[in-house]
Amino acid sequence: EADIYQTPRYLVIGTGKKITLECSQTMGHDKMYWYQQDPGMELHLIHYSYGVNSTEKGDLSSESTVSRIRTEHFPLTLESARPSHTSQYLCASDQGAWGSPLHFGNGTRLTVT
Amino acid sequence: KQEVTQIPAALSVPEGENLVLNCSFTDSAIYNLQWFRQDPGKGLTSLLLIQSSQREQTSGRLNASLDKSSGRSTLYIAASQPGDSATYLCAVYNNAGNMLTFGGGTRLMVKP
Repeated sequence: EADIYQTPRYLVIGTGKKITLECSQTMGHDKMYWYQQDPGMELHLIHYSYGVNSTEKGDLSSESTVSRIRTEHFPLTLESARPSHTSQYLCASDQGAWGSPLHFGNGTRLTVT
Repeated sequence: KQEVTQIPAALSVPEGENLVLNCSFTDSAIYNLQWFRQDPGKGLTSLLLIQSSQREQTSGRLNASLDKSSGRSTLYIAASQPGDSATYLCAVYNNAGNMLTFGGGTRLMVKP
């Protein structure tokens, strides 16, 4: 069963809309991550956080933004969605200790028309 | 920059076969290596984690080995079953333990 939850599971939205993808974890993990994955392709890290009020950019440039106001919550926002944002977005977390196992949510599949 | 490669990209085998999935990485200065399973349209499930000081880890029918000096890891699946069909990804943590680099995955199909 999942201890890290992502909503919505699927989202189809028109160009120009503002969207927020939700991610919550109940494990008390300090570090949280957002990965982007196109179908059949590699995962790319777009954002991560070491804890509350910490946000960092990953190795793949993204027009999205994130916030970390609470330990358990790490939402990702796109101010103006475009078709190029169509992808699967995966949220993950770990304890923050060096190299601790990563736990993933089931992902949000976003389609921008 | 760390690069992780998985070969083969896709594999189809009959049920019951033992099989090996390969993972190679270019920078041997890693903290650990993880193997994940991903079912279609789902997130990733952690299977095994091998610390850089370890040579292998086992969980049920799965055995993962690590040869850090040569930059290679293998995932051995014994007596494969149709339920093993999924994409298997390996990922390495850099030596600082703060950045995980994923391979492109091996898509496995086990036919009944």
